[in-house]
Amino acid sequence: DTGVSQNPRHKITKRGQNVTFRCDPISEHNRLYWYRQTLGQGPEFLTYFQNEAQLEKSRLLSDRFSAERPKGSFSTLEIQRTEQGDSAMYLCASSLGQENTEAFFGQGTRLTVV
Amino acid sequence: AQKVTQAQTEISVVEKEDVTLDCVYETRDTTYYLFWYKQPPSGELVFLIRRNSFDEQNEISGRYSWNFQKSTSSFNFTITASQVVDSAVYFCALRGRSSGSARQLTFGSGTQLTVLP
Repeated sequence: DTGVSQNPRHKITKRGQNVTFRCDPISEHNRLYWYRQTLGQGPEFLTYFQNEAQLEKSRLLSDRFSAERPKGSFSTLEIQRTEQGDSAMYLCASSLGQENTEAFFGQGTRLTVV
Repeated sequence: AQKVTQAQTEISVVEKEDVTLDCVYETRDTTYYLFWYKQPPSGELVFLIRRNSFDEQNEISGRYSWNFQKSTSSFNFTITASQVVDSAVYFCALRGRSSGSARQLTFGSGTQLTVLP
């Protein structure tokens, strides 16, 4: 399977706990994006990597959120001290480096904070 | 700032009917890119089409067709002879070229399409 892979698919955690999600992009894609989607809404941009460099961060990305992409391959998104408002689907996407190319999405990680 | 509006929250049609999903966008960029994605119940966003702002030629792909009208800032999507498998949420999205918007997609809120047998 050469698509974007995300793990885990589902995560239930207690409020205050830390969680980490992983995204494996399509191998030849140097751009990687994280989005968050809440029920009934479209995805909202969180952050973007060009290779290993994190080039853009949304205001939605509070200090409790951190993302990394070591060596420009897979990426992790960590949420510290989770809150109930963090419950959402977290989507990862990747694309080639040209601006007119489409992004391909993974199946997402659904986070539920109880 | 960029904005995408999908005014239709939910649409229900009977199988074999044609259905059009509306998308209106706002951007200050003179060059931009428009996309449609499909999100079935499994959750994965499936890419359907990309259109560049400088290419207003409409496109047909099988039962799908797209009508891009720059004059009205619209990029509508029509499914001909709908099928039950077309049931999903459909998202229209925009990517501009100016700083801060050149890489991220701005999505509409989506249209839930239900095709009844």
